[in-house]
Amino acid sequence: NAGVTQTPKFQVLKTGQSMTLQCAQDMNHNSMYWYRQDPGMGLRLIYYSASEGTTDKGEVPNGYNVSRLNKREFSLRLESAAPSQTSVYFCASSGDRQGQGDTQYFGPGTRLTVL
Amino acid sequence: SQKIEQNSEALNIQEGKTATLTCNYTNYSPAYLQWYRQDPGRGPVFLLLIRENEKEKRKERLKVTFDTTLKQSLFHITASQPADSATYLCALDDNYGQNFVFGPGTRLSVLP
Repeated sequence: NAGVTQTPKFQVLKTGQSMTLQCAQDMNHNSMYWYRQDPGMGLRLIYYSASEGTTDKGEVPNGYNVSRLNKREFSLRLESAAPSQTSVYFCASSGDRQGQGDTQYFGPGTRLTVL
Repeated sequence: SQKIEQNSEALNIQEGKTATLTCNYTNYSPAYLQWYRQDPGRGPVFLLLIRENEKEKRKERLKVTFDTTLKQSLFHITASQPADSATYLCALDDNYGQNFVFGPGTRLSVLP
């Protein structure tokens, strides 16, 4: 099993450009998440999907959109990138809602720089 | 306001000693708390989960305590090794039980 995979690993964008970060998991998990990680601020939840066909906002959703394409795939889109979106982005999945105490499995991350 | 703090940004200890990392929270009532390890350039990896009705949990050289009165969790690594050097994150469920909230992490360096 590959676990959680993310593409691309690195990306440099200019302000105003758009891009989509891809995430896939092969563990048959219901829930998937997108986080960003900035120095000194820990992981912050952008969006999550508790099941196929549903998505909800997290702590910092502004400037992002998501699509739960199917049970395996959850993508994050930046429509008009801004320098404040320079960060490391992690996708994660879990077998059930976090409220059930399930653990999260993380991908390797995408390092995004917006100039 | 709600807040999660981890005792220090960085902690240096000598090989063989016990490392103790602290996670404090305010204005949360978590049903459980988790600890993750993160190596540079990689995603976090789950280590241990402790529930609100458990005082202590152990796994090999790792021990976690959870004091809901103090609103604090302690994470211990006994007989520490240089390979234990990493950033350690605590995470707890938010008051709605919908999502995790992560602390900023403590970067542990075990010196040979």
